[in-house]
Amino acid sequence: GAVVSQHPSRVICKSGTSVKIECRSLDFQATTMFWYRQFPKKSLMLMATSNEGSKATYEQGVEKDKFLINHASLTLSTLTVTSAHPEDSSFYICSAGQGIIQYFGAGTRLSVL
Amino acid sequence: AQRVTQPEKLLSVFKGAPVELKCNYSYSGSPELFWYVQYSRQRLQLLLRHISRESIKGFTADLNKGETSFHLKKPFAQEEDSAMYYCALRNTDKLIFGTGTRLQVFP
Repeated sequence: GAVVSQHPSRVICKSGTSVKIECRSLDFQATTMFWYRQFPKKSLMLMATSNEGSKATYEQGVEKDKFLINHASLTLSTLTVTSAHPEDSSFYICSAGQGIIQYFGAGTRLSVL
Repeated sequence: AQRVTQPEKLLSVFKGAPVELKCNYSYSGSPELFWYVQYSRQRLQLLLRHISRESIKGFTADLNKGETSFHLKKPFAQEEDSAMYYCALRNTDKLIFGTGTRLQVFP
């Protein structure tokens, strides 16, 4: 099946710094990728839809200046958490669509001190 | 509004017992529904989708439009079925997830 690679798997950073998370589709091209946030013992919350070659579409309540998304190629989307604060600590998951099926990355656990 | 509801946070059964994980949805159009599973320390992966009407790992799910449900069933649970199960609804190209049900299968 299709594989989505997400990197890094874990990052710890100081408050005020920016963190970049990469999401790659390894064996297929994805014009659309998705970024989710998962809170402990809760469901996945869609943050934004990353569109190759155009601006990302953010869900209501998600700050686009806080969570910068770049989808520069058909196999790579990046999420940058800018000026991270402790409340941004969470598990971030990306997915890439192939047809109507979404394939998920393994997730990135962000801890902001 | 589009919504997916999984009323049970935790479902515990013994090995060999039948399992039914409930999922109800709210959607104005013709729904496309999926079950995703997340085993311990693994990524989320597709288990099955209603459109293919298949049985995966012994699991089946039938779309009931009258009851707006897409319950996941397995007649005889196995220990390796222990995982987190998410019901999801496709809305254009996005997935709307339920809150998930943790299935624990005891030996």
